Amino acid sequence: GNSVTQMEGPVTLSEEAFLTINCTYTATGYPSLFWYVQYPGEGLQLLLKATKADDKGSNKGFEATYRKETTSFHLEKGSVQVSDSAVYFCALAPRNNAGNMLTFGGGTRLMVKP
Amino acid sequence: DAGITQSPRHKVTETGTPVTLRCHQTENHRYMYWYRQDPGHGLRLIHYSYGVKDTDKGEVSDGYSVSRSKTEDFLLTLESATSSQTSVYFCAISEAVGEKLFFGSGTQLSVL
Repeated sequence: GNSVTQMEGPVTLSEEAFLTINCTYTATGYPSLFWYVQYPGEGLQLLLKATKADDKGSNKGFEATYRKETTSFHLEKGSVQVSDSAVYFCALAPRNNAGNMLTFGGGTRLMVKP
Repeated sequence: DAGITQSPRHKVTETGTPVTLRCHQTENHRYMYWYRQDPGHGLRLIHYSYGVKDTDKGEVSDGYSVSRSKTEDFLLTLESATSSQTSVYFCAISEAVGEKLFFGSGTQLSVL
């Protein structure tokens, strides 16, 4: 079956530090990959996505590159801000999935201190 | 923001009682989903719908049922709530296969 594995948190960083949150996946074929972010008390929001190998998704200073050879989709940001404190979820959607049923990782909590 | 409303936002109930959670959308999206979020498990799909009266099971469907009589409404029912169903429940919608999901703000359910 499909699965997504994320590094366990919490990840605690100082403001302006470099961020990496690791994500690896197992899936048949070539899925689409996503990062969602959940701010306190809210639902998830799409942060970025990539639909094929070597694609780079980017948004709000965050980036992730679809690496087929390592089945990874690591999230990075060069300089985090306090406002980036949230829970980040990596997810995949199989390409032939009729219901767009995403499989989510367990989430990684990021805490950024001033 | 996508027009998704979940109700209630918070509910406390007792073991063995029936509970219905409602998701209402104003986007006319075809697909609707119910997820539960638990520490260490991320989000897990309970049921989803791909049209009016068309529903299917997700990963953790035992103990839950759903109904979709109108495009805009997707109901999740716990016929007899158990403590293991204490969780945060999220409704989501999407326009088509492969498109991004829009999530509601969640319902915190506590079963005592």
